[in-house]
Amino acid sequence: NAGVTQTPKFQVLKTGQSMTLQCAQDMNHEYMSWYRQDPGMGLRLIHYSVGAGITDQGEVPNGYNVSRSTTEDFPLRLLSAAPSQTSVYFCASTRGTDGYTFGSGTRLTVV
Amino acid sequence: SQQGEEDPQALSIQEGENATMNCSYKTSINNLQWYRQNSGRGLVHLILIRSNEREKHSGRLRVTLDTSKKSSSLLITASRAADTASYFCADGGAGSYQLTFGKGTKLSVIP
Repeated sequence: NAGVTQTPKFQVLKTGQSMTLQCAQDMNHEYMSWYRQDPGMGLRLIHYSVGAGITDQGEVPNGYNVSRSTTEDFPLRLLSAAPSQTSVYFCASTRGTDGYTFGSGTRLTVV
Repeated sequence: SQQGEEDPQALSIQEGENATMNCSYKTSINNLQWYRQNSGRGLVHLILIRSNEREKHSGRLRVTLDTSKKSSSLLITASRAADTASYFCADGGAGSYQLTFGKGTKLSVIP
């Protein structure tokens, strides 16, 4: 099992550019989430999904979109990148009765 | 907003000693989870304790939960240099699978 796979691992964007962070899991988990981690801030929830076709906002959703067309994939889209979105992004999934499995993260820098 | 808060923010101990980290939360929970993050890596789920449990063990880890005080503690016994990492608590809110993370405790185990 690959677990949760995130791509790319590193990305540099210019202000105003858009991009999609990919996340895929092969564990047939219903629940998937996107977090961002900033120094001294812990992890904050951006968006989450409780199943294919169902998504909802977390604590810091502004500037991000998500979709969940399949159980396996949960991409995160940055609509118009801003320096404030410089962060490390983590995707995670769970079947709901156990803890989350996290991906290895995407380190994003917006210049 | 951050709900779980870990204490202390940083902890430095000698190999072989025990390490205790505390976590407080504010609202009712379904469960309380602990994660470890090695530098530059994703989070790894360590242990989940449900709101109706008071203590749980996993190898060298012992977690306690006091719902009346809205607090939890993680004890790592006989620490090893490989335990050096940041440790996060995360509470699973009642009726949801969203996690709210604290800012973490940075543990350094000196060989």
